[in-house]
Amino acid sequence: EVQLVQSGAEVKKPGESLKISCKGSGYDFSTYWIGWVRQKPGKGLEWMGIVYPGDTDIRYSPSFKGQVFMSTDKSTNNAYLEWSSLKASDTAMYYCARLVVGPPYFDFWGQGTLVTVSS
Amino acid sequence: EIVMTQSPATLSVSPGERATLSCRASESVSSDLVWYQQKPGQAPRLLIYGASTRATDIPARISASGSGTEFTLTISSLQSEDSAIYYCQQYKNWPYTFGQGTKLEIK
Repeated sequence: EVQLVQSGAEVKKPGESLKISCKGSGYDFSTYWIGWVRQKPGKGLEWMGIVYPGDTDIRYSPSFKGQVFMSTDKSTNNAYLEWSSLKASDTAMYYCARLVVGPPYFDFWGQGTLVTVSS
Repeated sequence: EIVMTQSPATLSVSPGERATLSCRASESVSSDLVWYQQKPGQAPRLLIYGASTRATDIPARISASGSGTEFTLTISSLQSEDSAIYYCQQYKNWPYTFGQGTKLEIK
């Protein structure tokens, strides 16, 4: 059974760093892109970018380039989303999802990680 | 960046009736479009890819059509479980982009 399990909710202060994780199981983690999607409270979905565990190729949506860092560790089947200096505007639910290629769509999703940034 | 616009923002339909949701792209995306359903407190779920192909386990009462810039998602024989927000998303050009969503309410 394909599963993506994300790390738990986080409460941080502005300026702090954070790394959240997404662990894949039930499939060959190295052969599927992992995407990240942001959803601010009460708002819609936003594509952040995708990362390929096989060769760590990363593609950021322009709105998120330079704002976050995506990475993977295929030895542990984990994908990561990282901030070096959080802002209050980063408060959101963050989802990871597995991307099927050709055509590219998300077929399995993690449960989401709620990140709250508040002083 | 391709802008996806969904209408209406909210749709209220009675059980057993049919709901029609629209999605418009700012430029042609051919058939490179997916629809997702998101229920409160849950992650989105894939409904449709390639503009009209149902994903695994999606019932036949959910259908979709369109190409180019105009797309439609139709849900027939509405049930209470269909209450959700529906998003379209294009994958024609990077960055892939979502519409803002249509909230479907079952009266």
